[in-house]
Amino acid sequence: GQQLNQSPQSMFIQEGEDVSMNCTSSSIFNTWLWYKQDPGEGPVLLIALYKAGELTSNGRLTAQFGITRKDSFLNISASIPSDVGIYFCAGPKNTGNQFYFGTGTSLTVIP
Amino acid sequence: EPEVTQTPSHQVTQMGQEVILRCVPISNHLYFYWYRQILGQKVEFLVSFYNNEISEKSEIFDDQFSVERPDGSNFTLKIRSTKLEDSAMYFCASSGYSTAQETQYFGPGTRLLVL
Repeated sequence: GQQLNQSPQSMFIQEGEDVSMNCTSSSIFNTWLWYKQDPGEGPVLLIALYKAGELTSNGRLTAQFGITRKDSFLNISASIPSDVGIYFCAGPKNTGNQFYFGTGTSLTVIP
Repeated sequence: EPEVTQTPSHQVTQMGQEVILRCVPISNHLYFYWYRQILGQKVEFLVSFYNNEISEKSEIFDDQFSVERPDGSNFTLKIRSTKLEDSAMYFCASSGYSTAQETQYFGPGTRLLVL
């Protein structure tokens, strides 16, 4: 299946710092989604991107759909303790309903 | 806000036993999905379901798995004869419209432990 690679694998940052993570694929995606997963819970959608080059914000979160359609970036500004969790990128196959999830970036915010 | 719900939240079973995991998708959604996540790993697609039939399944979804929409609200995943490696979080998701381009909303998951 498709492999979506996320980097970094984990991050430890001080509260108030900005965070940047990315997701890359060897194949083109037409949609990029960013999810956050808290321990023991299901993924929660943060941002959806539908167009190459698109830059979308949701509060302190900003995500971009790469021009090549093979990557996406998620930035979190002024991190707070509740930002702790695992962030997954995801995208659908070009045909069908199967979603591929990235390998995840684990974020720890130190108060 | 509408949400996907799943029961039970935790299930412990003996190897070889059958388990049924239940989900109630968002009420006006048409597409339903099951995913699993082995501890510490990424979320993996199992199956999608539309119009009372499987529309797509992954190589993980072998003959021991089945899905059903027994009534207008529930969507179930049955594992016929559980194996140790079936231990994982199982997530149900649903989406409103035609293709995977539509955002999927996830339930809180069922943690399955096979002993």
